[in-house]
Amino acid sequence: QLQLQESGPGLVKPSETLSLTCTVSGGSISSSSYYWGWIRQPPGKGLEWIGSIYYSGSTYYNPSLKSRVTISVDTSKNQFSLKLSSVTAADTAVYYCARLRRRYSGSQGAFDIWGQGTMVTVSS
Amino acid sequence: DIQMTQSPSTLSASVGDRVTITCRASQSISSWLAWYQQKPGKAPKLLIYKASSLESGVPSRFSGSGSGTEFTLTISSLQPDDFATYYCQQYNSYAVTFGQGTKVEIK
Repeated sequence: QLQLQESGPGLVKPSETLSLTCTVSGGSISSSSYYWGWIRQPPGKGLEWIGSIYYSGSTYYNPSLKSRVTISVDTSKNQFSLKLSSVTAADTAVYYCARLRRRYSGSQGAFDIWGQGTMVTVSS
Repeated sequence: DIQMTQSPSTLSASVGDRVTITCRASQSISSWLAWYQQKPGKAPKLLIYKASSLESGVPSRFSGSGSGTEFTLTISSLQPDDFATYYCQQYNSYAVTFGQGTKVEIK
């Protein structure tokens, strides 16, 4: 049974870079049937898609975050990672990694498996 | 970006009630819509994909309908386990977007 687990610092200082890793177990990140994505949820608020990556390295980013986001994949470790630069208090949130189905057309589909989420606080 | 608007934001209902949540897209998304259920402190769970396809393992009391710009999630008979927040999500565009959520509360 495929599982995803987020890891990384729970506290990041303003203006620094937030770095998280998602480890995929019970299946291969190199499957042609899926994308891998990051979603965040500020306390008490809704869900915001950050970006997604295919095992080949192709990426899609939320236009509102694109200038600060980098998502990468390491197929040898079955992991993918998120870097968000120049963080502020507004980036405080629970960060989820998730698997997205790949549509027949090659586009992204629904998020069908999620990690448990990790809380990241931006504060000095 | 395609904007997704859910209504109502909060819904009070009793066990056994039929519940309907609406999600409207700012432009046509064909049937590329998913619904999720989220409970406090937990990750969202996929309920419905492609507007009306029930995810494996999800109870049949959940159903989805719609296409284009207007979609609905229906719970035919609300159960105690269904009190949660529900989100719609479009994936017609490369920039996927979520609705703001609908909280289903106990009346």
